Amino acid sequence: EADIYQTPRYLVIGTGKKITLECSQTMGHDKMYWYQQDPGMELHLIHYSYGVNSTEKGDLSSESTVSRIRTEHFPLTLESARPSHTSQYLCASSATDRTNSPLHFGNGTRLTVT
Amino acid sequence: AQSVTQLGSHVSVSEGALVLLRCNYSSSVPPYLFWYVQYPNQGLQLLLKYTTGATLVKGINGFEAEFKKSETSFHLTKPSAHMSDAAEYFCAVSDPDTGNQFYFGTGTSLTVIP
Repeated sequence: EADIYQTPRYLVIGTGKKITLECSQTMGHDKMYWYQQDPGMELHLIHYSYGVNSTEKGDLSSESTVSRIRTEHFPLTLESARPSHTSQYLCASSATDRTNSPLHFGNGTRLTVT
Repeated sequence: AQSVTQLGSHVSVSEGALVLLRCNYSSSVPPYLFWYVQYPNQGLQLLLKYTTGATLVKGINGFEAEFKKSETSFHLTKPSAHMSDAAEYFCAVSDPDTGNQFYFGTGTSLTVIP
């Protein structure tokens, strides 16, 4: 049962549109992450946050931006969607109090840009 | 940077047969190790993790994994495959000093043949 929620689950949108993918968690985790997942590929980290007002870019270059105004909320925004942004986006969080805490994932948002 | 190699992007086993999914990591310092399972149209779910202590780790759904430092491996096994085990499996590592960054393998798709 997920304690981390992503909306929408599926999104089909035209090129040039601005979109925001929502992610919220109820576990009080300080660390939150956005991953991009494509078939047959490893998960690529695109953004992460270690707490409120803290955001960093990940290993994979991305045209998206994130914000962390509240602990529980970590939305991802694409200012101008392009077909190359078509992918699955996974949000995750982990606890801060232990270094061996695993990631908890949401169910993902599958984005298609036409 | 750490890296994770999962040998075999697709594995097929008969129902009731042994499941063996391979994972090797590259790190001079033993990292924390995780196995995740992903069912269609869902996020990743933690199967098991190794941090310290006993090298044989038991997880959910009858899966277990053994950490072998000399082989830098963390292979996942299950004695008897069930149809419900058909899914994508990801091996992941994290830095034991910070627990902040996670690195994933490319995944292994498990098919169970009735």
